[in-house]
Amino acid sequence: DTGVSQNPRHKITKRGQNVTFRCDPISEHNRLYWYRQTLGQGPEFLTYFQNEAQLEKSRLLSDRFSAERPKGSFSTLEIQRTEQGDSAMYLCASSLRQHPANYGYTFGSGTRLTVV
Amino acid sequence: KNEVEQSPQNLTAQEGEFITINCSYSVGISALHWLQQHPGGGIVSLFMLSSGKKKHGRLIATINIQEKHSSLHITASHPRDSAVYICAVGTSGTYKYIFGTGTRLKVLA
Repeated sequence: DTGVSQNPRHKITKRGQNVTFRCDPISEHNRLYWYRQTLGQGPEFLTYFQNEAQLEKSRLLSDRFSAERPKGSFSTLEIQRTEQGDSAMYLCASSLRQHPANYGYTFGSGTRLTVV
Repeated sequence: KNEVEQSPQNLTAQEGEFITINCSYSVGISALHWLQQHPGGGIVSLFMLSSGKKKHGRLIATINIQEKHSSLHITASHPRDSAVYICAVGTSGTYKYIFGTGTRLKVLA
């Protein structure tokens, strides 16, 4: 297992198009997180899965955003009708422990989205 | 005011200099992480601290729980240390991190 894998690494799309990103966590990790990082800022929490259940969504996640983790393994994050303000780095992380804040996450390399 | 604040925001150093990056937080935490992010890259965890001090190679991280403050030190800095260093805190009893905005370090040869 080489860690958390995210695809694609870069995505350029025209405004109004839909995009989908994929995250493959570390195989034994049952917790998966999506964060968004805009230029010059630290990452901000978007959503969290425990196995296949989406347990929390940030208010940053508008109706145009949807995330799934259908089999409790990989996850997808879809953005519909993209806007220029969606341009950011989308980071995925996974963890195993019940309180991952105590034991740390493993981050993926991120997907950089540019909406033109 | 952000719950996690880092200083400085930007730092340029000459190769070989001793570097200190500071992180202050205002929430109760279960752990604090120092992370490194290279341009266009993902995030790599450097340290996780809940008390005291940790050392790994040329990197040293300290935390003072009472003062709600942590520092990351880099000894004998090198151009390959150039990156953004991010402080992140895990709040008590939750699974989410709160991130600082990062310190952009550039080490000149």
